[in-house]
Amino acid sequence: DSGVTQTPKHLITATGQRVTLRCSPRSGDLSVYWYQQSLDQGLQFLIQYYNGEERAKGNILERFSAQQFPDLHSELNLSSLELGDSALYFCASSVAFNEQFFGPGTRLTVL
Amino acid sequence: ELKVEQNPLFLSMQEGKNYTIYCNYSTTSDRLYWYRQDPGKSLESLFVLLSNGAVKQEGRLMASLDTKARLSTLHITAAVHDLSATYFCAVEYGNKLVFGAGTILRVKS
Repeated sequence: DSGVTQTPKHLITATGQRVTLRCSPRSGDLSVYWYQQSLDQGLQFLIQYYNGEERAKGNILERFSAQQFPDLHSELNLSSLELGDSALYFCASSVAFNEQFFGPGTRLTVL
Repeated sequence: ELKVEQNPLFLSMQEGKNYTIYCNYSTTSDRLYWYRQDPGKSLESLFVLLSNGAVKQEGRLMASLDTKARLSTLHITAAVHDLSATYFCAVEYGNKLVFGAGTILRVKS
């Protein structure tokens, strides 16, 4: 158990819908990262927040957005969902910009 | 942009045999990580390699880093069934990790 928690564990929804994935970092960690894992794209970095501020952006679609709140938890919002958005979404956290510890993931299925 | 290549992508091994997974990357980086992932599960950190010539060992797994060659290896000694999983290398690039495609390891008894 890495100490990073993610909810929900599974999410099944329909195309066109919007969902929110939640992540709580390890105690003391200020950085939160979001990754997407899919069969065709592998593991891809989406976005990073440090102490509430966006610090790095990867291959994140415009339909996706994220934020980190004052209590340091983070949410990833996915809207206008498409079949291709079905994937495992991981959150990771680190103290600053060092070793990242991964949460259990949220499996999103878009039907 | 940083590219990370792993090979092989699939490895079927007999118990008791040795093998090596290779991870090549295209741009200088400060850190390289190896992770293990069981089906449907999260990523478990195995090794963090910080400098040229770094070698770390844990049980039957040993990882090394050659920053000049931009190459890391994960060596498996006397494989056992419990090592069956997918292994990823990841290279730190800016504030993010860039992952290889992963190596699916199956150890047959």
